Amino acid sequence: DAGVIQSPRHEVTEMGQEVTLRCKPISGHDYLFWYRQTMMRGLELLIYFNNNVPIDDSGMPEDRFSAKMPNASFSTLKIQPSEPRDSAVYFCASSPGQGLRGNTEAFFGQGTRLTVV
Amino acid sequence: KNQVEQSPQSLIILEGKNCTLQCNYTVSPFSNLRWYKQDTGRGPVSLTIMTFSENTKSNGRYTATLDADTKQSSLHITASQLSDSASYICVVSDSNTGKLIFGQGTTLQVKP
Repeated sequence: DAGVIQSPRHEVTEMGQEVTLRCKPISGHDYLFWYRQTMMRGLELLIYFNNNVPIDDSGMPEDRFSAKMPNASFSTLKIQPSEPRDSAVYFCASSPGQGLRGNTEAFFGQGTRLTVV
Repeated sequence: KNQVEQSPQSLIILEGKNCTLQCNYTVSPFSNLRWYKQDTGRGPVSLTIMTFSENTKSNGRYTATLDADTKQSSLHITASQLSDSASYICVVSDSNTGKLIFGQGTTLQVKP
């Protein structure tokens, strides 16, 4: 397996534009997590899914953020409208079990570096 | 407030030397503590996972220790290599909420 695949790797967009980040989890993993990483706040969990169902979205900062998982092999994180303070690296991770909630391992993608100007 | 504090914030060592990174936490009760390595421009990669009943776990030249009584963990790197240059992140899982509490990380630079 190629691991967790995220696209794009880099995204530069203007304030107010819609941004969509994509993630393909490892096949067979039934947990998927979206994280945001900044220098100031480190890694923060935004939302996670179990079997394509959102379980906890309490980390989503605002209504401008939304995430979907239409099937087991694909998830999106959308920001509309984007703002400069959304600039960060966004990571997707997947896990075969409870992942970071339990004692099984979670695997991270390479991340998408988002810059909103 | 549950927190995970890591020290030092950054560290520079010479290749071949050993080093120890610290993680103090106030999360209680917790289900596990993890150490991740994150290379620049890449996602975190797990080094170790320890439950509250474990007090040491090794992964090659990396050895993690855990003292659940004092709520401290350390990551010891033996015979450092240039490829060890990275950020090391301590993560504690809150048993009650299932939430993960992340430390800010320690940035390690290994110089030749």
